[in-house]
Amino acid sequence: NAGVTQTPKFRVLKTGQSMTLLCAQDMNHEYMYWYRQDPGMGLRLIHYSVGEGTTAKGEVPDGYNVSRLKKQNFLLGLESAAPSQTSVYFCASSYSNIHNEQFFGPGTRLTVL
Amino acid sequence: AQSVTQLGSHVSVSEGALVLLRCNYSSSVPPYLFWYVQYPNQGLQLLLKYTSAATLVKGINGFEAEFKKSETSFHLTKPSAHMSDAAEYFCAVSDNQAGTALIFGKGTTLSVSS
Repeated sequence: NAGVTQTPKFRVLKTGQSMTLLCAQDMNHEYMYWYRQDPGMGLRLIHYSVGEGTTAKGEVPDGYNVSRLKKQNFLLGLESAAPSQTSVYFCASSYSNIHNEQFFGPGTRLTVL
Repeated sequence: AQSVTQLGSHVSVSEGALVLLRCNYSSSVPPYLFWYVQYPNQGLQLLLKYTSAATLVKGINGFEAEFKKSETSFHLTKPSAHMSDAAEYFCAVSDNQAGTALIFGKGTTLSVSS
């Protein structure tokens, strides 16, 4: 099993450009999450999904959109990138919320100039 | 609402010394608590979790944590530090309500010197 994979690993954008980050998991997990990690801030939840076709906002959703068209994939979109969105983005998945043990991907380092 | 406070953003120990990373939580319901470790340029890996069973939880790589309800704490310890323990450690809390995710602390960077 590959676990949780993220594409791409690195990306540099100019302000105003758009992009989509892809997260894929092969563990048949129902729940998927997108976090951003900034120095001294820990991980903050952007959006999450409790199943195929569902999404919900997390702590810092502004400027991001998500889609969960397939159970194994969770996409994070930036419609008009801003320098404040420079961060490391982590995707995670979990089987259920009962114990909520989350499995993390390796991260995507995004720089917005 | 749940919250997590990690005391000390940076902890330095010598190889072989005791490791103690502090975590205090706030939760209105019995919490589920987690410690994750992040090695440089990697994702987070689960070290251990507390899910209302035994209050002393043993994890991977010799780490353990004790849930103390009276102190609202879940400190992480390891009797003898190894150079390979150098990493960032995150405490997280979940209230196990439907649809919620983990609330993470801001992290503690552990440095181990020889």
